[in-house]
Amino acid sequence: GENVEQHPSTLSVQEGDSAVIKCTYSDSASNYFPWYKQELGKRPQLIIDIRSNVGEKKDQRIAVTLNKTAKHFSLHITETQPEDSAVYFCAASRGNQGGKLIFGQGTELSVKP
Amino acid sequence: GAVVSQHPSRVICKSGTSVKIECRSLDFQATTMFWYRQFPKQSLMLMATSNEGSKATYEQGVEKDKFLINHASLTLSTLTVTSAHPEDSSFYICSARVPQPGSNQPQHFGDGTRLSIL
Repeated sequence: GENVEQHPSTLSVQEGDSAVIKCTYSDSASNYFPWYKQELGKRPQLIIDIRSNVGEKKDQRIAVTLNKTAKHFSLHITETQPEDSAVYFCAASRGNQGGKLIFGQGTELSVKP
Repeated sequence: GAVVSQHPSRVICKSGTSVKIECRSLDFQATTMFWYRQFPKQSLMLMATSNEGSKATYEQGVEKDKFLINHASLTLSTLTVTSAHPEDSSFYICSARVPQPGSNQPQHFGDGTRLSIL
């Protein structure tokens, strides 16, 4: 069945450094890849997404890259700040399933001041 | 925009009780809503897709008689955990998609409901 693998499970960086989180997906028909940030006890919040007709998308300090051939996509956060500390989830879906999202296992990012 | 409200945020009840959780789209109409379950320090596991005016679609391994879903209007879906037991204790979160052109649109999440069964 569909599967999304996410690495690493935990990531610790110094403030100002970059952080990279990687995901691979199994379903070659997947065409939509959102990233969510979840703080402890709170709702997941969409931070960026990318569709399969685009290879890269950037929004200020956050960027996502997609390699359809290799079936993997990555989240890049530059100039990290302590408030970036949270759990980040990648997800994948395909249009003919009504938007059903398959989530990765999550990455706990810790940014040390 | 795209606000999803979930209620209640916290429930503590005795074993055997049935618990109803509401998910509302406040500023848009949602023909499809999704219900997830999340254990501590784990990912979101899709339980079912709630379809307005029709039966919900359950994921493999999710008991439909245990987790009753009703999507009676374009802004409200409910999840009822029937005869809840301690193993049903978890964080339940709903989400809804904003109806825009194109099949893949962002999902927006509610605040979640922390269910504790004693």
